[in-house]
Amino acid sequence: DAGVIQSPRHEVTEMGQEVTLRCKPISGHDYLFWYRQTMMRGLELLIYFNNNVPIDDSGMPEDRFSAKMPNASFSTLKIQPSEPRDSAVYFCASSLWDPQETQYFGPGTRLLVL
Amino acid sequence: AQSVAQPEDQVNVAEGNPLTVKCTYSVSGNPYLFWYVQYPNRGLQFLLKYITGDNLVKGSYGFEAEFNKSQTSFHLKKPSALVSDSALYFCAVRDRMTGGFKTIFGAGTRLFVKA
Repeated sequence: DAGVIQSPRHEVTEMGQEVTLRCKPISGHDYLFWYRQTMMRGLELLIYFNNNVPIDDSGMPEDRFSAKMPNASFSTLKIQPSEPRDSAVYFCASSLWDPQETQYFGPGTRLLVL
Repeated sequence: AQSVAQPEDQVNVAEGNPLTVKCTYSVSGNPYLFWYVQYPNRGLQFLLKYITGDNLVKGSYGFEAEFNKSQTSFHLKKPSALVSDSALYFCAVRDRMTGGFKTIFGAGTRLFVKA
């Protein structure tokens, strides 16, 4: 398996623009997670899905952030409108159904909002 | 509430010496505990986990960790450090009773191994 795939790897945009980050989880994994990593706040869980259904979105910072998972092999995290404070590395991870299982992380998308 | 503390921002060790990266946790029930490593410009990679059983857990690349319930700790160790071990290390916890799949990560500890 190719592992968790994220695109783009780097994104530079201007404040106010819409940003869409994409993730393809490992085939057969039931859970998908979106994280944000910054120097100030570390690694934060934004939202996670089970079988394409959002389970916990309490980490989503505000209404400008939204996430969808239309099918088992694809998820998006959208920021509209983007702000400079959204600059971070965004990771997608997936895992099997058992809470004992580890999460497999993608390479991340480095977002810079000017 | 669940929390994870990694008290050291950075650990410095000479190559060949043993290393320890500390982690303490707070959960309402019994935890699942994990260690991940992150190399520059990469995602996190799984090292090892404690689920149940033997308190000493062995993982990838010669790392091991000891679960200590009374001290609520899960320190990462390696008998002999390599320069290539230099990276950012994260401790993580899931409360198996209430947390479901929600994983709380520590702030990370940067390990620097000097040749």
